[in-house]
Amino acid sequence: DAKTTQPPSMDCAEGRAANLPCNHSTISGNEYVYWYRQIHSQGPQYIIHGLKNNETNEMASLIITEDRKSSTLILPHATLRDTAVYYCIVRGDSGAGSYQLTFGKGTKLSVIP
Amino acid sequence: GAVVSQHPSRVICKSGTSVKIECRSLDFQATTMFWYRQFPKKSLMLMATSNEGSKATYEQGVEKDKFLINHASLTLSTLTVTSAHPEDSSFYICSAKGRGRYGYTFGSGTRLTVV
Repeated sequence: DAKTTQPPSMDCAEGRAANLPCNHSTISGNEYVYWYRQIHSQGPQYIIHGLKNNETNEMASLIITEDRKSSTLILPHATLRDTAVYYCIVRGDSGAGSYQLTFGKGTKLSVIP
Repeated sequence: GAVVSQHPSRVICKSGTSVKIECRSLDFQATTMFWYRQFPKKSLMLMATSNEGSKATYEQGVEKDKFLINHASLTLSTLTVTSAHPEDSSFYICSAKGRGRYGYTFGSGTRLTVV
């Protein structure tokens, strides 16, 4: 079972920042938070991941709360091409089954012109 | 960046025939490959995990004799849907993880339609 909770859908105006929340209240100390997105009829695309520090790359920023029970993915300037389903996934790095990614329902982000 | 090539992208087959889907890691060695299935408007469901040179581990409810997985090399895994039926019509996606890599790279998916 997925260990994360995300809103089913969100809208964002083109050019504005998109902030996608994720709750992972049962996350354990060795589990990372991963974000992927899936544009219609394509394979998922890696966005970013983090353990406890905030992370930033060319695509997005990941803000993880101090207690690590929630995180926010930020797309600083959303474009129409960012319309996709965004998945927040927690994954450990040891133990049985820890290497697989378990997908929840994700958040369908619609970027509106 | 890491690239995973999956093909065919689309396939239509007759009921009762078998279909093979290939997944290749182009610029890294994939020690572990995953196969997912996705029905319309649903999330990805993990079918099986395969490590190079080992038998695949199937998720509960996935028939190993129907969905044959071969991970014979560090760059290639195949999924064969045997005796396909219309209910097997779905979007199949592979994912690969390399040694020491934190990320997982996904293929572009295969749309299987069984008629």
